[in-house]
Amino acid sequence: NAGVTQTPKFQVLKTGQSMTLQCAQDMNHNSMYWYRQDPGMGLRLIYYSASEGTTDKGEVPNGYNVSRLNKREFSLRLESAAPSQTSVYFCASSLSGYEQYFGPGTRLTVT
Amino acid sequence: QKEVEQNSGPLSVPEGAIASLNCTYSDRGSQSFFWYRQYSGKSPELIMSIYSNGDKEDGRFTAQLNKASQYVSLLIRDSQPSDSATYLCAEGLTTGNQFYFGTGTSLTVIP
Repeated sequence: NAGVTQTPKFQVLKTGQSMTLQCAQDMNHNSMYWYRQDPGMGLRLIYYSASEGTTDKGEVPNGYNVSRLNKREFSLRLESAAPSQTSVYFCASSLSGYEQYFGPGTRLTVT
Repeated sequence: QKEVEQNSGPLSVPEGAIASLNCTYSDRGSQSFFWYRQYSGKSPELIMSIYSNGDKEDGRFTAQLNKASQYVSLLIRDSQPSDSATYLCAEGLTTGNQFYFGTGTSLTVIP
């Protein structure tokens, strides 16, 4: 099992560009999450999906949209990237909504 | 209001010693607490979860939860250089799927 996979691993965007971060899990988990991690701020929840077909806002949803494409896949979209969105983005999944397992992360720089 | 507080460290212990990591949280009706280990440039890795007051042991790791005092701790016995990492404390809400992370404590185990 690959666990949680994320693409791309690295990305550089110019201000105003858009992009989609992809996440997939093969553990048959119900819940999936998107976090960002910034120095001194810790991990912050952007959006989560408790089950296929549902999505909810987390702590810092502004500037992002998500799609739960099916049970395996959960994507995060930046419609108009800003330098404040420079961060490391982690996707995670959970069977029951508690213990989470993280993907390898995407390092995004917005110039 | 997010308040999961951890001492950022760095915490240094000699090889073979006990490392003690602490975390305090705000009472949001939380019922689940987690410890993650994160090596530099890598994603968080779940090492312990604890749901009820008291101690939970898993190998060299012991998690302790005291809901009355709103703290959770992690003890690492017989510390090894490979334990050198940042340890993240996380609080999960009773409803599930909402998590708050501390900023992490950096641990260095000196050979």
